[in-house]
Amino acid sequence: GAVVSQHPSWVICKSGTSVKIECRSLDFQATTMFWYRQFPKQSLMLMATSNEGSKATYEQGVEKDKFLINHASLTLSTLTVTSAHPEDSSFYICSARAHPPTSPSSYNEQFFGPGTRLTVL
Amino acid sequence: DAKTTQPPSMDCAEGRAANLPCNHSTISGNEYVYWYRQIHSQGPQYIIHGLKNNETNEMASLIITEDRKSSTLILPHATLRDTAVYYCIVRVFNSNSGYALNFGKGTSLLVTP
Repeated sequence: GAVVSQHPSWVICKSGTSVKIECRSLDFQATTMFWYRQFPKQSLMLMATSNEGSKATYEQGVEKDKFLINHASLTLSTLTVTSAHPEDSSFYICSARAHPPTSPSSYNEQFFGPGTRLTVL
Repeated sequence: DAKTTQPPSMDCAEGRAANLPCNHSTISGNEYVYWYRQIHSQGPQYIIHGLKNNETNEMASLIITEDRKSSTLILPHATLRDTAVYYCIVRVFNSNSGYALNFGKGTSLLVTP
């Protein structure tokens, strides 16, 4: 149980195009989802917190108009990279926090998706 | 959040115990110690967490010192598939602080045959 999927797993696009990445919680409800970005040989950096039915909260330095986040249901959040440029090439990872918890011991446990490798040419 | 310090890399022979240390000398009373790991090109995976008591699950054991200023993650019988970056995260999660995880640089563990 507690599986998070991401689609696509990898994508290559031309500079200037937009790319949408989906994050789904497959067997639990996630009122909160998180989007992280990871550049090569670096750690994960939080981009934004996505709450179902409300606007996402972006971390400092992350452009909300460039990285559009939609969390329209309890099992789906999407990240759209608009007008992508080569510097946006990165590994994008989502995570979901189950609410209610999947088990008494997993109250603050987050479940991560497998990541999406974005390459912008 | 309390800052954590981990060695950048460690080696371990397959079949032996891997002991990964983490210093968190500024930890506060309500902060938990969490461990995640990330295998190359995959999303992070939860391992274990604890507050002050030692914890054990099917993946690992977590030993927290009595003063809570440091902890050790123990993989009792490391396998090649345990090669990954291990992150020690100290956090209190609530509606005020939020629920996101703050990843540091972690320890890159290499398990060798």
